[in-house]
Amino acid sequence: EDKVVQSPLSLVVHEGDTVTLNCSYEVTNFRSLLWYKQEKKAPTFLFMLTSSGIEKKSGRLSSILDKKELFSILNITATQTGDSAVYLCAASNFGNEKLTFGTGTRLTIIP
Amino acid sequence: EPEVTQTPSHQVTQMGQEVILRCVPISNHLYFYWYRQILGQKVEFLVSFYNNEISEKSEIFDDQFSVERPDGSNFTLKIRSTKLEDSAMYFCASNTDRDKNTGELFFGEGSRLTVL
Repeated sequence: EDKVVQSPLSLVVHEGDTVTLNCSYEVTNFRSLLWYKQEKKAPTFLFMLTSSGIEKKSGRLSSILDKKELFSILNITATQTGDSAVYLCAASNFGNEKLTFGTGTRLTIIP
Repeated sequence: EPEVTQTPSHQVTQMGQEVILRCVPISNHLYFYWYRQILGQKVEFLVSFYNNEISEKSEIFDDQFSVERPDGSNFTLKIRSTKLEDSAMYFCASNTDRDKNTGELFFGEGSRLTVL
């Protein structure tokens, strides 16, 4: 059974801190690893990673994939209160349509 | 900016009743999905839909569930006889052929279903 595990489950930091969120996966016919941000309801897309070692970057957020060790990290530098959200990691497979999600990491930024 | 819209935002129903959750995907999108998230648990895949038919479904999507695209714009999820364990947030999502290659899914705000 495909599995995605995220850690930590929750994280509370002060504004300006840097955080690293972890995602490990066990997925047959792995295709890609995706990160989503879920603030109130709808998850919004952040990154898709398919190749090892290539960092994807968007502003203060960056992510990288290690296909040998089967994990990905999401880094957020200089955190702001608007970064408070649940961050979801999901994996996709070749040959089917679905995404397999982790339970998410709840990030709280204290002003 | 185009968005996926879902109605109702919250529905409360009695066990055994039928519910229909409605979604209007982004207009040029071709692939449609339903996911659900039971409170405090993972987002789970239910079904994908393309070219007016189901392309894939999960074990959760049993005979009590059905999907339909009745009029070329709406995409509905019907639960025939609701059970307590169907209480969850149901997310509709869509993407285009190009988005399938990037992996990006566009999610709606969700419909919260409470079964009493």
